[in-house]
Formats: sequence, C-alpha cells, structure tokens
Amino acid sequence: GAGVSQSPSNKVTEKGKDVELRCDPISGHTALYWYRQSLGQGLEFLIYFQGNSAPDKSGLPSDRFSAERTGGSVSTLTIQRTQQEDSAVYLCASSLDGHYGYTFGSGTRLTVV
Amino acid sequence: RKEVEQDPGPFNVPEGATVAFNCTYSNSASQSFFWYRQDCRKEPKLLMSVYSSGNEDGRFTAQLNRASQYISLLIRDSKLSDSATYLCVVYNYGQNFVFGPGTRLSVLP
Repeated sequence: GAGVSQSPSNKVTEKGKDVELRCDPISGHTALYWYRQSLGQGLEFLIYFQGNSAPDKSGLPSDRFSAERTGGSVSTLTIQRTQQEDSAVYLCASSLDGHYGYTFGSGTRLTVV
Repeated sequence: RKEVEQDPGPFNVPEGATVAFNCTYSNSASQSFFWYRQDCRKEPKLLMSVYSSGNEDGRFTAQLNRASQYISLLIRDSKLSDSATYLCVVYNYGQNFVFGPGTRLSVLP
C-alpha cells in the first residue's frame, strides 16, 4: 500500500478483555516497529521486527503483551487481560532501510474502561 | 543519561521569529539522524534527515556535528503552522530507532 495502515483506528474495550491491533506496513518494508504513546507523553518503544530475525521484545511492558509478524508483512499486537493503564495510542511504523527513516501509521487509540 | 536528549521546551515564539532546537546523542556509533514533527494527536512524520554536511529545506536547516554528538534544527520565519512537537531521532545500524523526548514549539500570532 501507499502508507502504513493500522486497524482499528479506535477501540474501546472493557477491563480484562483481550484486544488485537493490526498493522499493515508499506509493501517491501522489512522492518516493523510498535510504539505506544499515552496522552501528553513521549513514544514508548514496544517491539521491533527486522526481516526473519528474532524480534526485539525488550520494550514490552509485561507478559500480557505479545506481537507477531506473519510472512514478513502484517503484524498483530495482542494485549491480554487489558488494564486501564493500557489506554494509549498504539503506533506502528515500517522501514525499508533505517538510513532513510521510517513511516508511521495513524495509530490505534485504545481505551480500556 | 538518556541516549537522546533534547531541549526541554516549550518554545513560545512570535510569527516570523527564528528558533533553534538542539539534540545530543550518547552512542558515538550512531549512523543516521532525523528530525520528525508530531502534531497534537497525530502520528510523527519525517521532517528531514540530517547529514554531516548539513542540509536545508526551505525555511528549515539541519546540522550534524559528529565530534560533539550534536544535532540541531533551525526554523526561520516561523509560521503558525510550524507549531508542533519536534522529535530528534537517531538510528543505529541493525538496531532500533531511538527517539528523544521532543521539544514543543508554539508559534504565536
């Protein structure tokens, strides 16, 4: 596609439910990143996929968070047993070559009530 | 010490002013450098890459000093539409991008 696509754009869920957030990167981009951003705060790194290498999961805040990237393309971020502190905008970005920077999707705004 | 640090801001400047943002990074092996812009409740967008020779794009000038591990962004003739948070980003080959905390700019009429 022309850009990084994320879905849904907004998600409201009840505390304790599981949610799945989807990211469709720019075609051909080998690197994919997930971040989250709470209101008024900076970007918090979550996880990074590069080609077929093992992902860098160092930013995942707890074992309730996991992510997959199937076939080197679409990625799904799963949050189990959501908590209110999980409420944030979840941003995905992809890159062909880090030397050219990366492109963000418009994010999924998650609200846990 | 954080890997990427920026002026804490916020910067409040009148229209037409010149404003400069500074950024320092701690990893001397860092290879690529960028300025991103983030508008309120929007995703960050690439403003410009930063090259060792310095580069200019209209009213925006970026400079890199590898010896001092310092990056700057200069905005001339500020417009109301320049109001945003400016993020300094550093890329280390084979690793993640690292974001600075951002500097907020408000251009006032």
